[in-house]
Amino acid sequence: ILNVEQSPQSLHVQEGDSTNFTCSFPSSNFYALHWYRWETAKSPEALFVMTLNGDEKKKGRISATLNTKEGYSYLYIKGSQPEDSATYLCAFKGANTGFQKLVFGTGTRLLVSP
Amino acid sequence: DAGVTQSPTHLIKTRGQQVTLRCSPKSGHDTVSWYQQALGQGPQFIFQYYEEEERQRGNFPDRFSGHQFPNYSSELNVNALLLGDSALYLCASSWGTGGATDTQYFGPGTRLTVL
Repeated sequence: ILNVEQSPQSLHVQEGDSTNFTCSFPSSNFYALHWYRWETAKSPEALFVMTLNGDEKKKGRISATLNTKEGYSYLYIKGSQPEDSATYLCAFKGANTGFQKLVFGTGTRLLVSP
Repeated sequence: DAGVTQSPTHLIKTRGQQVTLRCSPKSGHDTVSWYQQALGQGPQFIFQYYEEEERQRGNFPDRFSGHQFPNYSSELNVNALLLGDSALYLCASSWGTGGATDTQYFGPGTRLTVL
């Protein structure tokens, strides 16, 4: 059974705080890691696709890093704003899952209070 | 440019019934994937359709079937509904032959409740 784990399960921060979450995945047969942001009552929104060990991606105040050798990715949010409140999902693609299938973690729910 | 659309938004069925969920992909996309998100879980892959054929399937029973039409829209059918089929069903579209870096764009989902 292939496990993708995310921590923490939920997080409550104040506006202006910086925060980070972790996604752990199998380090063998790695193809790609996808990050999504999912606001309540909306569609999941693609943030990043990461493939190379050491990869770093940035979109505004959100950035992500990737370590394929040890099987983890970090998502950072700098200076959190209330509009960052959402569930952040990571999803893994590997040789034993096929190119088509995204294997998701259970997500980190972020709440940013004004 | 319309994104991925799904219908209906909500649906209530009773055990043993059959249900059909519909998805229209993002403009220009030719591939549709379906996921089930049960309470407290991440989305679970059901199957993917490309060129009107099922290209890959997850660990779901044969009660779950699908179809893709020539205009790339898709249906998910679930027969003999069980209480455990209550979930949010997400459709995602993408373009191309299904590479590891292909981004899947999601719809807002259909909430199915089985009583």
